[in-house]
Amino acid sequence: GAGVSQSPRYKVAKRGQDVALRCDPISGHVSLFWYQQALGQGPEFLTYFQNEAQLDKSGLPSDRFFAERPEGSVSTLKIQRTQQEDSAVYLCASSLVLGEANTGELFFGEGSRLTVL
Amino acid sequence: EDQVTQSPEALRLQEGESSSLNCSYTVSGLRGLFWYRQDPGKGPEFLFTLYSAGEEKEKERLKATLTKKESFLHITAPKPEDSATYLCAVQTSGGSYIPTFGRGTSLIVHP
Repeated sequence: GAGVSQSPRYKVAKRGQDVALRCDPISGHVSLFWYQQALGQGPEFLTYFQNEAQLDKSGLPSDRFFAERPEGSVSTLKIQRTQQEDSAVYLCASSLVLGEANTGELFFGEGSRLTVL
Repeated sequence: EDQVTQSPEALRLQEGESSSLNCSYTVSGLRGLFWYRQDPGKGPEFLFTLYSAGEEKEKERLKATLTKKESFLHITAPKPEDSATYLCAVQTSGGSYIPTFGRGTSLIVHP
């Protein structure tokens, strides 16, 4: 597809369940980001991949959060034993590169809205 | 720690009523400042990148400007379709280059 694709768009989980959120970035984009956006807030950085390497995971809020991008393309964000405070929109973004050669333009997907009951 | 503060949190305008949104930042070294637009239920959409003080970028009714401490997004004669949340983000040099976002300004333009 032409844009970043995320699935599922909506997920309702009971507290304690595990969830997996998928991101399919734009073909050829080296960099992939996950952000968390609570209602009425700006996106908060979670983790960053360059190809298959996870170069920064400093934003992951706890060890219940895990992300992977095994083949340098599709990425999955996994949340174990979900809590109510995990309820948010999880945004995935991709870009060609990151660093001095980057214009700063990230291409975002529409997000996965997680509601934990 | 990098900080990005946007004001106001919310802004209501009448169609045609020009105004400005503010993004102030505190960073160790600015590489770039970005403006994004976010519609309800959608991901942010890139608008502009500004790199140095004095730089300006324009797109239709929007003009972004940058100083050493803040950026303004000027909206001239807005239309209802300009209603959205406008997000500012900064990217620092010498670090990870990962953009840090502000909380956004929610703009509603009434017909």
